Amino acid sequence: DAGVIQSPRHEVTEMGQEVTLRCKPISGHNSLFWYRQTMMRGLELLIYFNNNVPIDDSGMPEDRFSAKMPNASFSTLKIQPSEPRDSAVYFCASRHSGGNTDTQYFGPGTRLTVL
Amino acid sequence: GENVEQHPSTLSVQEGDSAVIKCTYSDSASNYFPWYKQELGKRPQLIIDIRSNVGEKKDQRIAVTLNKTAKHFSLHITETQPEDSAVYFCARVGSTLGRLYFGRGTQLTVWP
Repeated sequence: DAGVIQSPRHEVTEMGQEVTLRCKPISGHNSLFWYRQTMMRGLELLIYFNNNVPIDDSGMPEDRFSAKMPNASFSTLKIQPSEPRDSAVYFCASRHSGGNTDTQYFGPGTRLTVL
Repeated sequence: GENVEQHPSTLSVQEGDSAVIKCTYSDSASNYFPWYKQELGKRPQLIIDIRSNVGEKKDQRIAVTLNKTAKHFSLHITETQPEDSAVYFCARVGSTLGRLYFGRGTQLTVWP
């Protein structure tokens, strides 16, 4: 059973470039979460979706960040233009809401470095 | 508020000793409390969880206790081993579609 899949695993880019991170949730899960992790700020929730609909994007730092979930098996997080302070590990997690468990399963993360 | 307070931020113990990490929250609507372990360079992984209708849950060397009245919950690791070294995060789920509110994490180091 495949877990949450993220790509790329590592991304190095230059300031000003567009970055797109991708996530495939666990099949059958209907909630998807994007997190950012840094030493300074810990694990921050950026946005989450339920049944492909964005529920809360209050954690998105600014307009340079956008996220989409066009279908139940795919989501993207885009940063345009990227800045050095966006360097972090970005995790995607999924969960089956409405069941008897609230467990979120994390993907392996994308380590983003913006030079 | 929404935050979960987690203490201590770092914890060093000798192999074989016990380790305890404590978290407090203020939202009385919280009903699910998971604990995640994150090894260096890896993803957070669920190690144990507890629901609000239970006071204690145990799984081999790890246990979690919950005091809903006082709004705090704790992770207990007994007979610690070097492979227990990691960052541990507590979290709570509020009432809105399973959003997790995380603590800031505890770096546990177990010395052989």
